Amino acid sequence: GAVVSQHPSWVICKSGTSVKIECRSLDFQATTMFWYRQFPKQSLMLMATSNEGSKATYEQGVEKDKFLINHASLTLSTLTVTSAHPEDSSFYICSARDIGLAVSTDTQYFGPGTRLTVL
Amino acid sequence: QKEVEQNSGPLSVPEGAIASLNCTYSDRGSQSFFWYRQYSGKSPELIMSIYSNGDKEDGRFTAQLNKASQYVSLLIRDSQPSDSATYLCAVGGGGNKLTFGTGTQLKVEL
Repeated sequence: GAVVSQHPSWVICKSGTSVKIECRSLDFQATTMFWYRQFPKQSLMLMATSNEGSKATYEQGVEKDKFLINHASLTLSTLTVTSAHPEDSSFYICSARDIGLAVSTDTQYFGPGTRLTVL
Repeated sequence: QKEVEQNSGPLSVPEGAIASLNCTYSDRGSQSFFWYRQYSGKSPELIMSIYSNGDKEDGRFTAQLNKASQYVSLLIRDSQPSDSATYLCAVGGGGNKLTFGTGTQLKVEL
């Protein structure tokens, strides 16, 4: 149980294009999903918290107009990197919180990540 | 600012030994504590969660929590080369987000 998928697993794009990354919870419902970014040999950096049916909450320093997040259903959140540039190249990872968990609502299950390379 | 501190390592242990990973946190209101394992180039994988003081065992893994000292640890018994990874400590306050440490790199040597 508690499986989260991401698509695509990797993507290479030209500078200036937009890239959409999907995050799905496969066997549970997730009212809240999280988007992280990780640069090589660095720790996870939370970008935003995505709540189903409402606007995402962005962390300080993350441009909401550049990183568009949509959480249209209890099993799907998308991150769109708009007008991507080489400095946006990173490992993007989503996680989901299972609303069915009774003991703790903090547990996050991570997707496999999407490696973005912007040329 | 909530902080979670981990020694970055690398922590090197011989195969078959016990690996001890430590984590301290700053927010006394923290309610949930997690250990994630992250292999190079992969996303984090949940290993253990712990919510109350004391020890929690799951196979070769034991999580220990001491809220008075704001300290949580992970013991890995009979360490295997496949345990070589970065271990992330994460702390939650019951309000949604997790605060992650920077991780400790563990190397299990043959």
